[in-house]
Amino acid sequence: QKEVEQNSGPLSVPEGAIASLNCTYSDRGSQSFFWYRQYSGKSPELIMSIYSNGDKEDGRFTAQLNKASQYVSLLIRDSQPSDSATYLCAVILSGAGSYQLTFGKGTKLSVIP
Amino acid sequence: DTAVSQTPKYLVTQMGNDKSIKCEQNLGHDTMYWYKQDSKKFLKIMFSYNNKELIINETVPNRFSPKSPDKAHLNLHINSLELGDSAVYFCASSQGRGSYEQYFGPGTRLTVT
Repeated sequence: QKEVEQNSGPLSVPEGAIASLNCTYSDRGSQSFFWYRQYSGKSPELIMSIYSNGDKEDGRFTAQLNKASQYVSLLIRDSQPSDSATYLCAVILSGAGSYQLTFGKGTKLSVIP
Repeated sequence: DTAVSQTPKYLVTQMGNDKSIKCEQNLGHDTMYWYKQDSKKFLKIMFSYNNKELIINETVPNRFSPKSPDKAHLNLHINSLELGDSAVYFCASSQGRGSYEQYFGPGTRLTVT
C-alpha cells in the first residue's frame, strides 16, 4: 500500500537549535510534496511545498527533497517555542489523482525555551 | 478576509441523528475537499470536488454525502450518525489547474453521544 511515514516524536529541541523533521514515501512516482504545521486544536497550515530535487528555503524553513531515496525533510533554523506544533508531511502519490494528498501521521515538535 | 470557512465549529449530537456541515471558500479555487481527522490525529481524505464534479470518493460509508451547489461551496451531510463518526472534519480548497497546494478551513469538531 502506498503510504507516507513520519516519526511521531515527540522531537524536542532547545530554543535556537535546528529542528530536523523527516518523511519517507513509498511511491517512487510521486511528484508533489508539502509540509503543514498544525497547532493543537487548530487546522493544518501550509508552510512549504517542493516539487524538484534539492533544497527550497523560505525564511527559517528549508525543505529538502531526494526523489531517488524517496524522502523529504523540513529543517527549521533558530527554532522558537512558537514552532512547537505537529508537522504533517503530505504527498500527492502517483496514480492517486492530481488532487489527492496523502498525509503522514505527523511529528510532534517541542521547542524548549 | 479571504479564507476557507466552515460552520458550525462544534457539533454535538446523538446517535442516529442526521447533520450537515457547510464549507465556503472565497479564494476563487476550483477544487474543494473534505478530510476527517480522528482521535489519533490522522488526517484522511474523504471527498473532493472540482468545479462541482466529484473527483475523489474514498471508501467512506454511504451515510456520508457531499454536495457542491457551486464551486465556492461544499457541504457534507451525514445520516444516521454513529459514535465512530466523532472526529474533526476539515474542509480544504486548492486552485486546481495545475496548482495543488491545499488550504484548510478551521474544522468542525463533531461529537456523537
